[in-house]
Amino acid sequence: KQEVTQIPAALSVPEGENLVLNCSFTDSAIYNLQWFRQDPGKGLTSLLLIQSSQREQTSGRLNASLDKSSGRSTLYIAASQPGDSATYLCAVKIYNQGGKLIFGQGTELSVKP
Amino acid sequence: GAGVSQSPSNKVTEKGKDVELRCDPISGHTALYWYRQSLGQGLEFLIYFQGNSAPDKSGLPSDRFSAERTGGSVSTLTIQRTQQEDSAVYLCASSLAGAGYNEQFFGPGTRLTVL
Repeated sequence: KQEVTQIPAALSVPEGENLVLNCSFTDSAIYNLQWFRQDPGKGLTSLLLIQSSQREQTSGRLNASLDKSSGRSTLYIAASQPGDSATYLCAVKIYNQGGKLIFGQGTELSVKP
Repeated sequence: GAGVSQSPSNKVTEKGKDVELRCDPISGHTALYWYRQSLGQGLEFLIYFQGNSAPDKSGLPSDRFSAERTGGSVSTLTIQRTQQEDSAVYLCASSLAGAGYNEQFFGPGTRLTVL
């Protein structure tokens, strides 16, 4: 059974700091991994999608890496801003499980001005 | 273009009543998913529709939960005889196709409170 774990569960940093969020998964037979952002009381916003054949994806200040063989992904946020405060979720889509995503529990990020 | 929409945004109901939640996927997306997000369980898969294929219902927690998708577009999730443990945010997502490499896009969710 696929399990997805995110560390840390919560993180508080001062504005301007670079930070790394971690995601690990137990079954490497995946199509892809998605990173999402969720603001309080809102739905999920897709940030980055990394296909299983890719090593990383970048969008603005965000960079996500994927090491499928070791079951790990990281989300790097450069020069953090208070507007980055949200919960960040990673999810994997695994083979032979239809199209469903398996989610981690999320990392709650707070960026202090 | 328009994203995934869900209605209502909030629903408060009494224990034992039936509720219907609606999802409008992105136009042209053939795959539609329902997930549930609750405090104790995180985000869990409920059901998945792909085109005209039989839905994957493996995530439905009990036979009080059912869903249908009409005309390959709009979907309705129905919960019968609601219980307090059904209180959660119900999220809908769609993608161009199901299994495979396509990105899922999520709606804003319906927050269900069962009193």
